[in-house]
Amino acid sequence: DTGVSQDPRHKITKRGQNVTFRCDPISEHNRLYWYRQTLGQGPEFLTYFQNEAQLEKSRLLSDRFSAERPKGSFSTLEIQRTEQGDSAMYLCASSLGPNTGELFFGEGSRLTVL
Amino acid sequence: KNQVEQSPQSLIILEGKNCTLQCNYTVSPFSNLRWYKQDTGRGPVSLTIMTFSENTKSNGRYTATLDADTKQSSLHITASQLSDSASYICVVSDIKAAGNKLTFGGGTRVLVKP
Repeated sequence: DTGVSQDPRHKITKRGQNVTFRCDPISEHNRLYWYRQTLGQGPEFLTYFQNEAQLEKSRLLSDRFSAERPKGSFSTLEIQRTEQGDSAMYLCASSLGPNTGELFFGEGSRLTVL
Repeated sequence: KNQVEQSPQSLIILEGKNCTLQCNYTVSPFSNLRWYKQDTGRGPVSLTIMTFSENTKSNGRYTATLDADTKQSSLHITASQLSDSASYICVVSDIKAAGNKLTFGGGTRVLVKP
C-alpha cells in the first residue's frame, strides 16, 4: 500500500499520560499536514510541514502538542499530559506541491482519554 | 472570516434514490473546491476537485457542480447504494492555500437504507 499510513489506529490512555502518533506520507510528497476531527465535525487544521520545516501551527496546537518531521519523511505528533478534551481523531494528510495539489488523508489515529 | 456551510446536516435516503448535498462558502480569494467522502472511522477520500473555471465534474455516480458567482456547490449522488452511507465534506481553498488555508465544512451525513 502506497498511501498515507498512520499508527496507531486507536489509542486509549489515562488523563495525564503522553501519547505519540506517527504518520508516513506518500513517499514523494513534500507537504505533510496534521488535522484534528471530533465527532460530527469537519477536520480542523493543526500544523503543516514542507519537507522538514514546520511552516505553520494553529492556535489549537497548545504547548502540550508538538510535531516533528525530522528528515522530511515521516512525522510524529506528541501530546503531553493528555486531557479528556484531547479525545479526537487525529488525521494526517500529504500532498505534492502547492495549493491545487490533491490532499491524501490517512485513516487517522483515534485517541480516547479516560 | 472564511466559512463553509453545508446542508443538510444529515439525510436518510432509500437505496436507488438520488440526493443532492449543498455547500455555500465565503472563502476569498477562491482557488478550488473539493468534495471528500468519509466513511465512519476512516480518513476522508477525495471525490472531486474543481477550479474557478469548472462548472461540473463527475466521478462515477457522484456529480459536483460549482457556481463561483454565487459561491455555491452541490454534490449529486445518483442511484444511491448502501456503500454511499458516509459523511460528505466540502472543502474550499483560497489562492494562497497550502493545506493550512483549507476551510472545511462540517459535513453532511448520508444514510442509505435498503
